[in-house]
Amino acid sequence: GENVEQHPSTLSVQEGDSAVIKCTYSDSASNYFPWYKQELGKRPQLIIDIRSNVGEKKDQRIAVTLNKTAKHFSLHITETQPEDSAVYFCATGSNYKLTFGKGTLLTVNP
Amino acid sequence: DAGVIQSPRHEVTEMGQEVTLRCKPISGHNSLFWYRQTMMRGLELLIYFNNNVPIDDSGMPEDRFSAKMPNASFSTLKIQPSEPRDSAVYFCASSGLAGGETQYFGPGTRLLVL
Repeated sequence: GENVEQHPSTLSVQEGDSAVIKCTYSDSASNYFPWYKQELGKRPQLIIDIRSNVGEKKDQRIAVTLNKTAKHFSLHITETQPEDSAVYFCATGSNYKLTFGKGTLLTVNP
Repeated sequence: DAGVIQSPRHEVTEMGQEVTLRCKPISGHNSLFWYRQTMMRGLELLIYFNNNVPIDDSGMPEDRFSAKMPNASFSTLKIQPSEPRDSAVYFCASSGLAGGETQYFGPGTRLLVL
């Protein structure tokens, strides 16, 4: 089955800095790549997603890049704010099934 | 739209007892997923329904776990008998044709088995 590796597991940045989280996957059939944000005690919520026919997508301060040849994709958050502090999960999708990475705890220090 | 609804939000039970978790997906969605989240194992897919039919139950840990979807607006996940290692947060998520593969999660049920 699909294997999704996510790095780093923890990331601490200063407010205003950028944060980058990277994921690699194994199944070349994966064609959907969402990112979820989960605040403490809350549900995972979709923040951005990308499909395999697109290399990059941006939504205000967040962006995702995809390299299908190398089977890796990344989340970029610019101008980080304290409210960006949360656990971020990458996932890969194929036939409506998602496989999640283990998550990255992002801490943005004021 | 109320989003995905789960009940109960918290459940504390004793080992050996039966536990039933409930989920109401977003109206119009035809895919429903049950996940379990723990610190050690992260988010694990337990079972996936499409049009009320179980498609993939390979993530169900053992026979103590069972799930049903009797109609498009209701699903249950049952654990019988429960064990302390079942303690986790159980999420239900749904997706539909309009959203493609985007899955929307419910608030979760925090289960503690003593």
